[in-house]
Amino acid sequence: NAGVTQTPKFQVLKTGQSMTLQCAQDMNHEYMSWYRQDPGMGLRLIHYSVGAGITDQGEVPNGYNVSRSTTEDFPLRLLSAAPSQTSVYFCASSYSSSPPGYEQYFGPGTRLTVT
Amino acid sequence: AQTVTQSQPEMSVQEAETVTLSCTYDTSESDYYLFWYKQPPSRQMILVIRQEAYKQQNATENRFSVNFQKAAKSFSLKISDSQLGDAAMYFCAYNTDKLIFGTGTRLQVFP
Repeated sequence: NAGVTQTPKFQVLKTGQSMTLQCAQDMNHEYMSWYRQDPGMGLRLIHYSVGAGITDQGEVPNGYNVSRSTTEDFPLRLLSAAPSQTSVYFCASSYSSSPPGYEQYFGPGTRLTVT
Repeated sequence: AQTVTQSQPEMSVQEAETVTLSCTYDTSESDYYLFWYKQPPSRQMILVIRQEAYKQQNATENRFSVNFQKAAKSFSLKISDSQLGDAAMYFCAYNTDKLIFGTGTRLQVFP
């Protein structure tokens, strides 16, 4: 199993550009989520999905869109990049969100810089 | 809203010694899970240990154990016989339907 994969590993964008961060898992997990990690702030939840066709907002959803058309894929779209979106982005998945004790498996992260 | 607080931005320990990392949380829920995740310089997030709120017995995984005080909403991590490979960021997290992280504690291990 590849686990949770993310592409790209690094990306530099100019302000106003759009892009999609890709996330895929091969563990048949129901639950997938996106986090951003900023210095001194830990990981903050952007969006999450409890199954194909179902998504919901986390703590910091503004400026980001998601969709979940398949169980395996959960892409994160930046509509119009801003310098405040410079961060490291992690995708994670777990078997289910209920009960909430399942381990979340994290991808290797994408370092995004917006200039 | 649920919050998770880690009040120690940095800690250090001598190799083979014991260190305790603190975590408190705020919730009105009665059933939830608590986690400690480790993030080494590779950036990969690794689950260290988990605890279900309904279980009174403290979780243990080899050299890692927790002190779970439900009434005090406290969930500390004890690392025994510290090793150089334990040096990392450690994040406390809380989950009912969404995983909420604290801001992390950077642990340094000195030979």
